[in-house]
Amino acid sequence: DGGITQSPKYLFRKEGQNVTLSCEQNLNHDAMYWYRQDPGQGLRLIYYSQIVNDFQKGDIAEGYSVSREKKESFPLTVTSAQKNPTAFYLCASKDSRGASGGGETQYFGPGTRLLVL
Amino acid sequence: SQKIEQNSEALNIQEGKTATLTCNYTNYSPAYLQWYRQDPGRGPVFLLLIRENEKEKRKERLKVTFDTTLKQSLFHITASQPADSATYLCALDKQYNTDKLIFGTGTRLQVFP
Repeated sequence: DGGITQSPKYLFRKEGQNVTLSCEQNLNHDAMYWYRQDPGQGLRLIYYSQIVNDFQKGDIAEGYSVSREKKESFPLTVTSAQKNPTAFYLCASKDSRGASGGGETQYFGPGTRLLVL
Repeated sequence: SQKIEQNSEALNIQEGKTATLTCNYTNYSPAYLQWYRQDPGRGPVFLLLIRENEKEKRKERLKVTFDTTLKQSLFHITASQPADSATYLCALDKQYNTDKLIFGTGTRLQVFP
């Protein structure tokens, strides 16, 4: 899992509750990503951040929020507005050099499985 | 919009044979294509990257080809072993934004003794 940790491994959410998923990396990567994975579907991008104090919406950002106050950390909050939160959530990071510098590869954490009670 | 297709059905092969997985894409020309391995309940792990100007890439028992005319990549595992059983994902950079990847749904490979 290459220097990226996610916690908790399993998370249970009650109706109307906000929950926060943790993602920490010690790879000194500038870029970090959050994906959602549902059975039979590919990874879908929720939010990403290319630098501290900046982030952009991905393809399915509604009902989620993020912050990037430190380079090492990119927590994801699943808000009560997300009506179908049950999924496997994956955090990833990438070297900031980009395609020309060879930094295309993303390194993933072990994932957090979110279940609704 | 960009679309990636991988065989949704599982691929079952006998140990020692070559496994070939397919990734097809439409509507644009990516700068590069990547293959990842994902085991159940775990995050994907990077395997190989191939760029648009490369035809083939090898790493140990793995080989990737990239045909930009057919808009297709083939991923081969030679001398397959039961330990190769996993889901394999292909991913392409997003058009106009190579900092983002688009992932296919993955193909599950099962290698039996």
